[in-house]
Amino acid sequence: DAGVTQSPTHLIKTRGQQVTLRCSPISGHKSVSWYQQVLGQGPQFIFQYYEKEERGRGNFPDRFSARQFPNYSSELNVNALLLGDSALYLCASSLYTGVRNTEAFFGQGTRLTVV
Amino acid sequence: SQQGEEDPQALSIQEGENATMNCSYKTSINNLQWYRQNSGRGLVHLILIRSNEREKHSGRLRVTLDTSKKSSSLLITASRAADTASYFCATGAYSGAGSYQLTFGKGTKLSVIP
Repeated sequence: DAGVTQSPTHLIKTRGQQVTLRCSPISGHKSVSWYQQVLGQGPQFIFQYYEKEERGRGNFPDRFSARQFPNYSSELNVNALLLGDSALYLCASSLYTGVRNTEAFFGQGTRLTVV
Repeated sequence: SQQGEEDPQALSIQEGENATMNCSYKTSINNLQWYRQNSGRGLVHLILIRSNEREKHSGRLRVTLDTSKKSSSLLITASRAADTASYFCATGAYSGAGSYQLTFGKGTKLSVIP
């Protein structure tokens, strides 16, 4: 079975532009979460989606938005990019939420550089 | 914000030695997970320990959890050069709204010298 897949792997954008990152969860997983990891830090929670509904949101500005599709894949959108948005964006999928303790499996990430 | 704090921040050992990393956290949790990250790429899931468990093993990995002290440790036995990576602990917590999120520490950078 394929793991969590993210695209693209690398991206360079200019300040003020908009970006869309994509994630396909492990087959059968209905929960997708997004994390931002800046250099030298641990990942920080941005969003969680389960069954196509937003279930949780971290402390990020409204420039960040996401959605989950009927096939459980997800997109993360960031508008009006700032230099500080440069980071590794990680997608995690897990089997359940709110019911049992389950592992979260991560993709390889998208490295976004804002210039 | 970061909840977990790994200790030490960096660790350098010889191949064959054991490596111990510690993690402390602040709030109540449902579980704690350990991850490995190579060269700033994706996180590899190592082990999950539930809040009602005290110890768990997986191959050369041993994880302990002390909820009274809000701390966990990861022991890698008989380390190999391939274990060189950053290791993160992440506390998992559910909210009443059905949200589940992981809160990570800053990680321990492990270097295993051949």
